[in-house]
Amino acid sequence: GENVEQHPSTLSVQEGDSAVIKCTYSDSASNYFPWYKQELGKRPQLIIDIRSNVGEKKDQRIAVTLNKTAKHFSLHITETQPEDSAVYFCAASKGGSYIPTFGRGTSLIVHP
Amino acid sequence: ETGVTQSPTHLIKTRGQQVTLRCSSQSGHNTVSWYQQALGQGPQFIFQYYREEENGRGNFPPRFSGLQFPNYSSELNVNALELDDSALYLCASSRPTGGSYEQYFGPGTRLTVT
Repeated sequence: GENVEQHPSTLSVQEGDSAVIKCTYSDSASNYFPWYKQELGKRPQLIIDIRSNVGEKKDQRIAVTLNKTAKHFSLHITETQPEDSAVYFCAASKGGSYIPTFGRGTSLIVHP
Repeated sequence: ETGVTQSPTHLIKTRGQQVTLRCSSQSGHNTVSWYQQALGQGPQFIFQYYREEENGRGNFPPRFSGLQFPNYSSELNVNALELDDSALYLCASSRPTGGSYEQYFGPGTRLTVT
């Protein structure tokens, strides 16, 4: 089955800095890669996603890049703010049934 | 548009008991997936239901079972509870037949087994 590795497990940055979280996946058939943000005690929320036919996608301060050959994808957050502090999960899935495999999460801490 | 809801919010059970968790999918969504999230971990896929049929299952024993109803709401049943079943149980709804892979999570049920 699919295996998703996520790094780092913890990321501490100063407000205004950029943050990058990286994930690798094992199944070359995976074609959909969402990212979720989970604040303490709350549900995971989809923040951005990318499909395998696209190399990069941006939404304001957030961007995701995908390298299908290397089987890795990354989340980039620019101009970080304290409210960006949360746990971020990457996931990978394939086919139309959408059964994702999640990474173990990255705890992002943005210091004011 | 109504979001995904789950009940109850919290639950405390004793080892060996049985539990039923409930999920109402987002309006227009016909697929419900259930996940177990242990503390400090990512969500682990339990199973998925599409139009009342199980559409995929993760690496969980048969004592984890589910149902989906005609209105696309769903239940997760766990028999013979074990201490390791203590976790946050999340359901998520989606509508993959519409070409959309986005999945939306409910607030979760925190299950504690003592």
